[in-house]
Amino acid sequence: AQKVTQAQTEISVVEKEDVTLDCVYETRDTTYYLFWYKQPPSGELVFLIRRNSFDEQNEISGRYSWNFQKSTSSFNFTITASQVVDSAVYFCALSWIQGSSNTGKLIFGQGTTLQVKP
Amino acid sequence: NAGVTQTPKFQVLKTGQSMTLQCAQDMNHNSMYWYRQDPGMGLRLIYYSASEGTTDKGEVPNGYNVSRLNKREFSLRLESAAPSQTSVYFCASRVGPHEAAKLFFGSGTQLSVL
Repeated sequence: AQKVTQAQTEISVVEKEDVTLDCVYETRDTTYYLFWYKQPPSGELVFLIRRNSFDEQNEISGRYSWNFQKSTSSFNFTITASQVVDSAVYFCALSWIQGSSNTGKLIFGQGTTLQVKP
Repeated sequence: NAGVTQTPKFQVLKTGQSMTLQCAQDMNHNSMYWYRQDPGMGLRLIYYSASEGTTDKGEVPNGYNVSRLNKREFSLRLESAAPSQTSVYFCASRVGPHEAAKLFFGSGTQLSVL
């Protein structure tokens, strides 16, 4: 069965430190997508990135970078030079097509709460 | 730009009461989803609707029913609320059921069952 695991429940860092959030997934499908979402204290969920199962290139967007490794079924998220505004809950998610009916499911991990202290 | 609109934002129920959470999207999306968020459990999928006229169970469907009223609206009903259903509920939508489509979320409904 498909599953997403974020083993780090809470992480606390001091501003300007680098921090990596881990995400491990399980799926038997060969075609799938992985996502990261951010949930700031205000509560809304904000899309950060999407990566398909055939593209293992790392991606960098400003202070954010993502490392996708199929060999270890991981899709880790690194924030460089963290800032107080990065404090949030971060969710990793997995999406795939459900059998031949072409209905798509999207499931989330447990989330990692990141606290960045000034 | 309304996006995904959920009502109500807050609700307190007594055990055994029923209620319906409403969700509407104005982005012409085909697929809609209901999740619940609990501390330490992340977001868990309750039900989803890949397209108008279809609904499927997610990870935690027990105690809930859904209705895809039309392409815009997807409601979640609690027939007999239980304290275990105290949670924050999120409705979401995406263009279609394709695995690449990203989700757009509503602002959530905080539900307390006493």
